[in-house]
Amino acid sequence: DAKTTQPPSMDCAEGRAANLPCNHSTISGNEYVYWYRQIHSQGPQYIIHGLKNNETNEMASLIITEDRKSSTLILPHATLRDTAVYYCIVRVTMNRDDKIIFGKGTRLHILP
Amino acid sequence: DAGVIQSPRHEVTEMGQEVTLRCKPISGHNSLFWYRQTMMRGLELLIYFNNNVPIDDSGMPEDRFSAKMPNASFSTLKIQPSEPRDSAVYFCASSRGTSGKGEQFFGPGTRLTVL
Repeated sequence: DAKTTQPPSMDCAEGRAANLPCNHSTISGNEYVYWYRQIHSQGPQYIIHGLKNNETNEMASLIITEDRKSSTLILPHATLRDTAVYYCIVRVTMNRDDKIIFGKGTRLHILP
Repeated sequence: DAGVIQSPRHEVTEMGQEVTLRCKPISGHNSLFWYRQTMMRGLELLIYFNNNVPIDDSGMPEDRFSAKMPNASFSTLKIQPSEPRDSAVYFCASSRGTSGKGEQFFGPGTRLTVL
């Protein structure tokens, strides 16, 4: 899997949009960008994924640059419950080898 | 659906004892993953199965660790003999594999303490 680079920590005010960046400059054409988060003492939770188009679901939006070398996860209205470690991962899907390699992630603090 | 079920949730044992962690994946999922998480090393993939067959065990730290998946609804991770450095939270996850969108569903984890 391609490596990703994320800031170790970020703060965001409650009610504001949280924008979490991720660099993946060595991403291959068939690799997807995935985001997971891990709330304290829980298992990681899938958020969203995409290949090259922007994606949105009930949890977040994913913006992928045209060259696919970076992406941003957007939590539109952050709440205290969004405090967690957010992992950006690139990987091949639609393949028998569907393992995930987690990096260190970004620790997001939502401030009241 | 109950999600991925792991047992026990907490385990405290003494060095040298055998430890068995259990996982029941989500029904219909055909891939199962075992992870270990520590403060020092973060979240590490130990082994994963596809259709009950081990695909990649390169993350298994040493011969003291073994994992089995005798059927589609049950997997075990065994440590024998256990050592204090095995203390960690062990997560099991499952996915639909290549028929899904690659989303893995994680269990609540087993917190293992080896004294």
